[in-house]
Amino acid sequence: GNSVTQMEGPVTLSEEAFLTINCTYTATGYPSLFWYVQYPGEGLQLLLKATKADDKGSNKGFEATYRKETTSFHLEKGSVQVSDSAVYFCALSANTGGFKTIFGAGTRLFVKA
Amino acid sequence: EPEVTQTPSHQVTQMGQEVILRCVPISNHLYFYWYRQILGQKVEFLVSFYNNEISEKSEIFDDQFSVERPDGSNFTLKIRSTKLEDSAMYFCASSEAEENTEAFFGQGTRLTVV
Repeated sequence: GNSVTQMEGPVTLSEEAFLTINCTYTATGYPSLFWYVQYPGEGLQLLLKATKADDKGSNKGFEATYRKETTSFHLEKGSVQVSDSAVYFCALSANTGGFKTIFGAGTRLFVKA
Repeated sequence: EPEVTQTPSHQVTQMGQEVILRCVPISNHLYFYWYRQILGQKVEFLVSFYNNEISEKSEIFDDQFSVERPDGSNFTLKIRSTKLEDSAMYFCASSEAEENTEAFFGQGTRLTVV
């Protein structure tokens, strides 16, 4: 079945550091890939998405590129801020999975001032 | 911007009681979902609903769970006899049921079973 694996956290960075959160997926068909963010005490917000190979999703300084050859969708940001502290979920949906969203385990990011 | 709304935001119930969690999906969406997130853990799929019937359910979604679309706007999750381990955040989501579109999530209902 379809699945998502992402790096375990927590990840602790200083402000302005470079962020990478690794994500790989397994899917039949051609999934769409997503990063969702969950701030403390809040719900799930879509951060960015990519719908086909080599697409780059970007938002709020975050980027991720859909790499079909490595089945990866790593999240990056060049300079993190304290306000980026949250849990980040890599996810996919595919028509072979009835469009449901399958989430990775989540990676908690702490950014220190 | 259209959004998925869930009520209540927090519900406390006694073990063995029935609870109904309510959701109003985005109006032109066709697929509806419930997910569960036990505190600090991953977001787990419970059920998807399309064309007025369950299209898929996970092994978590056993006989104590049911879903309903009682009218044209609401989508509900009922837990018949709550257990302590049902304590979690429950998220409703909806999507356009087309390829390459994302699901939109509500803010969640935190269910605490005591």
